[in-house]
This record gives sequence, structure tokens and C-alpha cells, in this order.
Amino acid sequence: DAGITQSPRYKITETGRQVTLMCHQTWSHSYMFWYRQDLGHGLRLIYYSAAADITDKGEVPDGYVVSRSKTENFPLTLESATRSQTSVYFCASSPTGTGMGNEQFFGPGTRLTVL
Amino acid sequence: GESVGLHLPTLSVQEGDNSIINCAYSNSASDYFIWYKQESGKGPQFIIDIRSNMDKRQGQRVTVLLNKTVKHLSLQIAATQPGDSAVYFCAEIPSGGSYIPTFGRGTSLIVHP
Repeated sequence: DAGITQSPRYKITETGRQVTLMCHQTWSHSYMFWYRQDLGHGLRLIYYSAAADITDKGEVPDGYVVSRSKTENFPLTLESATRSQTSVYFCASSPTGTGMGNEQFFGPGTRLTVL
Repeated sequence: GESVGLHLPTLSVQEGDNSIINCAYSNSASDYFIWYKQESGKGPQFIIDIRSNMDKRQGQRVTVLLNKTVKHLSLQIAATQPGDSAVYFCAEIPSGGSYIPTFGRGTSLIVHP
């Protein structure tokens, strides 16, 4: 199906485990983003990518790793999960960044619980 | 530090009423602002945006007003419908090309039929 998808939708893991959250978009958008959403906080940017093989840190990158070997995929890896990484994670894409008129399209989110 | 926040965490209205959701920002250098709607269990959805050199912008049933003097942003929804029930939050995009938005925490809009 066309659009932006995330998998898994729900994930429970244990402290210290490696977890990878997947994001896939079918629009060939240049920009992709990873956010986390926690109660009491707005969306916070973890990493973003302007194109394949180009990634950059956002506001809260510590403990996360990203890669973008293909335009359509932007996986987010928690190398050693901690309880503080329990959150809802959203992936987004946009055609040419976040400039006026270039809205971000968000995926449905992945709810991650770290025990 | 710089922040984007919302005045009211919850807003309850009757179907058919007009709704006004407010947002205060502190970064006077922001280039433009976006309003998003997030329904329960879903990702945020773009509603409307406005550039910092504009005062008002209208969409379908929505209007965004920007008051740079008091650093205030509002989203007006006309003839609110039950389907408008969601969390609404604003985001500001700084100037300078970083394109990293700062999001507010959100206001929950509840529309009673």
C-alpha cells in the first residue's frame, strides 16, 4: 500500500536488548525523520535524514542509531534498550524538508515498552 | 530556553461551536509555524501552516492567526464536529536552515454531540 508504514506497531523488550524499528515510505520523499512522543513532552526529534546515506542528529539522539541505505527505508536501532526509551516512536517523511508547504507525513507509530 | 507551549491542556466544546486553540512561542526567530492534529492511536496529521511574515491563513474550516507582537499562535476551527476531537499541537520551525521543529505538548479538544 502507498504511504508510510512502521513495524512493529507494538514491541515489548528487556533492558539491554537491541531493538530495531522499521519505517518504509512509498513516495520517494527525500527527507525522513524519527520522533519520540512521551507524556508531558511534545514530539522530540531523534534523527533525520535528508537523503540516502545522509543522516543527522536531532534533539535526543543518545542511545539510538539510524541508517538510510535506500531512500524508502529509515530504520531506527536502540543498541542497548533502557527503560527511559519506553515511548511511542513516530517516523515521518517530507518531500524537501520542513519548509513552508512541505508538510511532514507521519506513520502510525510504534509503541515500545522496555522492561 | 526557547519553548513552544499551549495555554490549555483540554478544551471541551459543543458540536457546531467554534473552537480556538492557543499556542505561545518564545523564539522570535522562528521562520514558520505548523498546526497538527493527532487522533487517538494515530500519527500526527498536518492541518495548516503559516509563515512568520503572515498574520492569518485560512484553510477548510480552519484559520491560523499569528500575533508576532505577543508571540502567540491560534488555531480556529469553525463549526466544530465530533470528528475534530483530537489532540492539537503547534510546531515552530527556526530560521537558519536547520529545519528541526520544536513541538508543543498539545491541547486535547473534546467535541460533545
